[in-house]
Amino acid sequence: GNSVTQMEGPVTLSEEAFLTINCTYTATGYPSLFWYVQYPGEGLQLLLKATKADDKGSNKGFEATYRKETTSFHLEKGSVQVSDSAVYFCALSVYNFNKFYFGSGTKLNVKP
Amino acid sequence: NAGVTQTPKFQVLKTGQSMTLQCAQDMNHNSMYWYRQDPGMGLRLIYYSASEGTTDKGEVPNGYNVSRLNKREFSLRLESAAPSQTSVYFCASSDWGRSTYNSPLHFGNGTRLTVT
Repeated sequence: GNSVTQMEGPVTLSEEAFLTINCTYTATGYPSLFWYVQYPGEGLQLLLKATKADDKGSNKGFEATYRKETTSFHLEKGSVQVSDSAVYFCALSVYNFNKFYFGSGTKLNVKP
Repeated sequence: NAGVTQTPKFQVLKTGQSMTLQCAQDMNHNSMYWYRQDPGMGLRLIYYSASEGTTDKGEVPNGYNVSRLNKREFSLRLESAAPSQTSVYFCASSDWGRSTYNSPLHFGNGTRLTVT
C-alpha cells in the first residue's frame, strides 16, 4: 500500500544547529512527495515538494531530495532558528489516486 | 485571496448533538477533503470529493456525512456527536487531476471540536 513513516519527536535543537528529519515511504505507483509545516494553532502549510526522482525541493532554507533508491525524502536545514519551532509532516500523493498520505508528524523545538 | 476558509474555529458539543462544519475555497480547485488530527496519529482522511457532485470515504468515515454543495463548498456533518469525535478538523483543497497529480493540498486553519 501507500504509507509514510517519519521519525518520532520531539526533536530539540539549539539555535543554529543542523536539522534532519527522516522520512521514508512506500508507494504502489509513482509518488509526489511533500513536506508541510504546522505552527501552533494553525493549519498545515506547504513547505516544499519534489515530483520526480533526484529532484530537490527547497524553501526558506529547508531542503529535501527525492531518493527513489532508498524511498526517502529527508528534510534538512543547515541552521535552525527559534521561529522554525513547529510540527513537520511528510506526505505523498500517488498518480491515479486522489488521496494524500501523511506521516504522524515530528515536533521540532528550537531553543535560543 | 482567502484560500480555504473553515467555520467555526471552535465548538463544544454535548454527546448526541449534531452540527455541521463549513468549508469554502476560492482557488477553483476540483478536489476537497476533510481530515481529522489527533495527538500522535497525524492526519486521517474522513471523506473527500474529487469533483462537484461526488464524494468518497476515507480512512475514518464512520459517524460523519459530507455534502459537496458546489465547487466551492464542502461541508462535514456530525449527526450524533460522540466524545471519540473530539479532535481538530481540517478542510483542504487541491487542483489534483490526472495531469496535475503533483498538485499539493491547501489547508484551512481548522475547527477545534470538543464533545463532552
